[in-house]
Amino acid sequence: DAGITQSPRHKVTETGTPVTLRCHQTENHRYMYWYRQDPGHGLRLIHYSYGVKDTDKGEVSDGYSVSRSKTEDFLLTLESATSSQTSVYFCANSGDRDGKLFFGSGTQLSVL
Amino acid sequence: GQQLNQSPQSMFIQEGEDVSMNCTSSSIFNTWLWYKQEPGEGPVLLIALYKAGELTSNGRLTAQFGITRKDSFLNISASIPSDVGIYFCAGHSGPAQKLVFGQGTRLTINP
Repeated sequence: DAGITQSPRHKVTETGTPVTLRCHQTENHRYMYWYRQDPGHGLRLIHYSYGVKDTDKGEVSDGYSVSRSKTEDFLLTLESATSSQTSVYFCANSGDRDGKLFFGSGTQLSVL
Repeated sequence: GQQLNQSPQSMFIQEGEDVSMNCTSSSIFNTWLWYKQEPGEGPVLLIALYKAGELTSNGRLTAQFGITRKDSFLNISASIPSDVGIYFCAGHSGPAQKLVFGQGTRLTINP
């Protein structure tokens, strides 16, 4: 149990509205990640962080931004939500860059 | 970018049967990992493999790191209902590289 809490667990929003998803960890892990999961695509990395205020893009970063002002919190923002961003979003953390990730329970986001 | 091809995409088996699934890549990986996702939850790490040819077990699960470093296999022996879920392979090239996931194998078990 890596102590990751994602909020909200479910959200329905309208196209064009801003949305922020929150990930909170109870550990002091350096690395945190945001993935999205869609049928047929597995898990795709959106953004990741390697420290406070240190973030980088993943493979599907367009339309998303992130912020990490504290070690324990990693926020994912959709500036103007689109229907293509309807997905399940997972946050994960790791103590090292060895591929061993601990995932949260996910946020189901629906953009209508 | 790097891609992993995982097969089969889905499996429907009887309880007690053995299960085999695999993952292949056009790129070499230094680490292969297998995760399991149960409904409504995030993936959980099952096994990590670090050396070509390595064979590692975790209970009824056995995974192998292919000799070419471009593939990996996961076997589940004597399946039980709680094995139901989606199994993901993942490859990692090194500390500076990102983890790449396969598309997943959905396992369904008929009691």
